[in-house]
Amino acid sequence: GQQVMQIPQYQHVQEGEDFTTYCNSSTTLSNIQWYKQRPGGHPVFLIQLVKSGEVKKQKRLTFQFGEAKKNSSLHITATQTTDVGTYFCAGSTGNQFYFGTGTSLTVIP
Amino acid sequence: ETGVTQSPTHLIKTRGQQVTLRCSSQSGHNTVSWYQQALGQGPQFIFQYYREEENGRGNFPPRFSGLQFPNYSSELNVNALELDDSALYLCASSLSPWGGRTDTQYFGPGTRLTVL
Repeated sequence: GQQVMQIPQYQHVQEGEDFTTYCNSSTTLSNIQWYKQRPGGHPVFLIQLVKSGEVKKQKRLTFQFGEAKKNSSLHITATQTTDVGTYFCAGSTGNQFYFGTGTSLTVIP
Repeated sequence: ETGVTQSPTHLIKTRGQQVTLRCSSQSGHNTVSWYQQALGQGPQFIFQYYREEENGRGNFPPRFSGLQFPNYSSELNVNALELDDSALYLCASSLSPWGGRTDTQYFGPGTRLTVL
């Protein structure tokens, strides 16, 4: 069945270091969305990418959608302690919606 | 805040019982989706309702059912509760169903269900 995997599962970085999480789908997605979930919280929408090869930036965050619309990445430059949380990619295909397995980011001050 | 509310916040039930969880979407959002999130895992799609009709369903048994009302509220009903149903249940509202440019989902705070 459809799977959306993310790597790494966990990432510990020193404050100021960069961070990247990769998202891979077993099938082509209509779009890709990224969410951040803080411990004890609910997913919060970050961004949506729709076009093949699309790149979007939000301050220190850069999001990419692969040419085949089966993979995506989120890159954070110069992490801060406020970046702590789990980052999920998510996408739709047909009338189904799939969340990735998530990458838990810990930022060490 | 997303403007999406859920009730109750926490709930404890015993195996075999039935439960109804409620969600109030953002005004104007005619699409609501429900997710189950087990501890340490990503949300799993249960189903989506668009204009009061089911618009997609994940890999969940029929004892998971839902309703959407014209006033932007919705319900998730689970019958014959099992221990594995213990999870955080999230609803999310959006302007349109999947694949559209306005399908950004706004999540509620969730209901933590514990089945004993």
